[in-house]
Amino acid sequence: QKEVEQNSGPLSVPEGAIASLNCTYSDRGSQSFFWYRQYSGKSPELIMSIYSNGDKEDGRFTAQLNKASQYVSLLIRDSQPSDSATYLCAVKDPEGLDLNRLAFGKGNQVVVIP
Amino acid sequence: EAQVTQNPRYLITVTGKKLTVTCSQNMNHEYMSWYRQDPGLGLRQIYYSMNVEVTDKGDVPEGYKVSRKEKRNFPLILESPSPNQTSLYFCASSNRGAHEQFFGPGTRLTVL
Repeated sequence: QKEVEQNSGPLSVPEGAIASLNCTYSDRGSQSFFWYRQYSGKSPELIMSIYSNGDKEDGRFTAQLNKASQYVSLLIRDSQPSDSATYLCAVKDPEGLDLNRLAFGKGNQVVVIP
Repeated sequence: EAQVTQNPRYLITVTGKKLTVTCSQNMNHEYMSWYRQDPGLGLRQIYYSMNVEVTDKGDVPEGYKVSRKEKRNFPLILESPSPNQTSLYFCASSNRGAHEQFFGPGTRLTVL
């Protein structure tokens, strides 16, 4: 089974600071990577996708991918209280019959302190 | 409005009493999937369906059944629920091969 690791504990950041989240994955053949945001008691929603090495920016969010080191990260700039949520790293399984299969990490909780 | 709906949203039941959680999507997606989410374990796939009448097991299928008789519906069936199936359940859908999965609002199930 493909593994996606998010090992950091809850992350508390002051409002306006940068929140940095990391994720590592086990399958070197993985090509597609995603960050989902999940508010408490709500369903996950896609906020970023990245497929190539390097950085991808979307508003205050930046996803970074390093396939050689098998990690993907998410930076949240100018953190706002509304960013307080759990962030799930997801990797598309490159093999198998399920073409849409995603392997999820356990998530990192972010708390933005006003 | 494009959406995935689940019913019921909350359910408390007793061990052994058969139940069905419905899932419906209005986006004409071929692919649908069920997940359960537990503290410390993250999202784990239960079953998925690539299209009508095509279903297959995910990572944790024991104790669950599904059916896909219509494209829009993908019910999750617990024939004999047990307390270890107490969890938060999400249905998701997407176009086949697409990257984004759209999640339903979740069903919180408690089995006593």
